[in-house]
Amino acid sequence: AQKVTQAQTEISVVEKEDVTLDCVYETRDTTYYLFWYKQPPSGELVFLIRRNSFDEQNEISGRYSWNFQKSTSSFNFTITASQVVDSAVYFCALSEASGAQKLVFGQGTRLTINP
Amino acid sequence: DAGITQSPRYKITETGRQVTLMCHQTWSHSYMFWYRQDLGHGLRLIYYSAAADITDKGEVPDGYVVSRSKTENFPLTLESATRSQTSVYFCASCPEGTLGNTIYFGEGSWLTVV
Repeated sequence: AQKVTQAQTEISVVEKEDVTLDCVYETRDTTYYLFWYKQPPSGELVFLIRRNSFDEQNEISGRYSWNFQKSTSSFNFTITASQVVDSAVYFCALSEASGAQKLVFGQGTRLTINP
Repeated sequence: DAGITQSPRYKITETGRQVTLMCHQTWSHSYMFWYRQDLGHGLRLIYYSAAADITDKGEVPDGYVVSRSKTENFPLTLESATRSQTSVYFCASCPEGTLGNTIYFGEGSWLTVV
């Protein structure tokens, strides 16, 4: 069975600090996808990234970066120079690579950026 | 570009009543999903559908009924609401394919059962 664990329930940092959100997953599939979603206080789910299990290159998008390590089954998310607008709940998720692509979510990490 | 819409966005109902949450998408995506979000559990899959008239259970289907007579609609019905079904419900859709398509979420429906 697939499982995603986000061990950090809540993180609080001061603005401009760097922060890393951890995500560890379990799956027996050889091909799968990993996702990160952001849920701001308004409640909607905002798609951030999708990563194929065959692609272990790290990705950077502005202040956001993702470190995918298949050897440790981790897909960590780092925000550099955090801003108050980054305050949200962040979810890591895993899906099968074909078919319905049902998502299995982690419990979420609530990130608070203090001014 | 309406995308995926859910209604109602907010609902308060009494225990034992039937409630239907609607989900409509304008993209003709094959796959549609219902998730519920609860503190400490993240989002969990209730039901999903691969096409019109094809539905299947997810992780937490008990107490829910779905149907999909048209590709664009995927209503979720709580036949006899219980307090444990107080939650935020998200509908999602995804096109068919094997390339890890983006999964699009609705804005959520906040349901309180009193």
